[in-house]
Amino acid sequence: EAGVAQSPRYKIIEKRQSVAFWCNPISGHATLYWYQQILGQGPKLLIQFQNNGVVDDSQLPKDRFSAERLKGVDSTLKIQPAKLEDSAVYLCASRPSGGYDYGYTFGSGTRLTVV
Amino acid sequence: AQKVTQAQTEISVVEKEDVTLDCVYETRDTTYYLFWYKQPPSGELVFLIRRNSFDEQNEISGRYSWNFQKSTSSFNFTITASQVVDSAVYFCALSEARAAGNKLTFGGGTRVLVKP
Repeated sequence: EAGVAQSPRYKIIEKRQSVAFWCNPISGHATLYWYQQILGQGPKLLIQFQNNGVVDDSQLPKDRFSAERLKGVDSTLKIQPAKLEDSAVYLCASRPSGGYDYGYTFGSGTRLTVV
Repeated sequence: AQKVTQAQTEISVVEKEDVTLDCVYETRDTTYYLFWYKQPPSGELVFLIRRNSFDEQNEISGRYSWNFQKSTSSFNFTITASQVVDSAVYFCALSEARAAGNKLTFGGGTRVLVKP
């Protein structure tokens, strides 16, 4: 089966600009996660969707970050305006719904550099 | 709240040496899953193993082995006879059954450098 697709692979922007990332999860996976991985750290959850509803966005900086998952399939994560500290890899992951005995599949990530 | 600690930030070994990565976790849930992921320089997270809280049986898979001890809240990972291709960052992660959405909480990672 196809994996989790993310684009773009790399992005360089200036601070105060806006940027958007796209994720297409594995077909049929109801749960979708966005993680932020700052260099030298472990991934940190930003937001989680169950179908098209938000389950957990407690760690999402809502003054500048937004995310949506229209139709419960692919998702976009937006940053506006970007700050230097937003430089990180943004990972998307998906898994089937129901129970927790199901594996998480991660995409290759989008590496964002804010200059 | 769930928490994962990987005290070792970097380990450097010579090829064929064994490497053991430590992982200590905190959770108030009695039902949870523990994971190890590998992140090579290319950046993707590669799933290695998943263990549930009711299965303390240790496992060996090829050159990899895991030691899960609930009494000490540890889930350690060993690479036997390391190879250069094992060079990567390794993450331990925890998922609680009762946590909203079963999110994964990661440790800070341990960078393993295997020198030829």
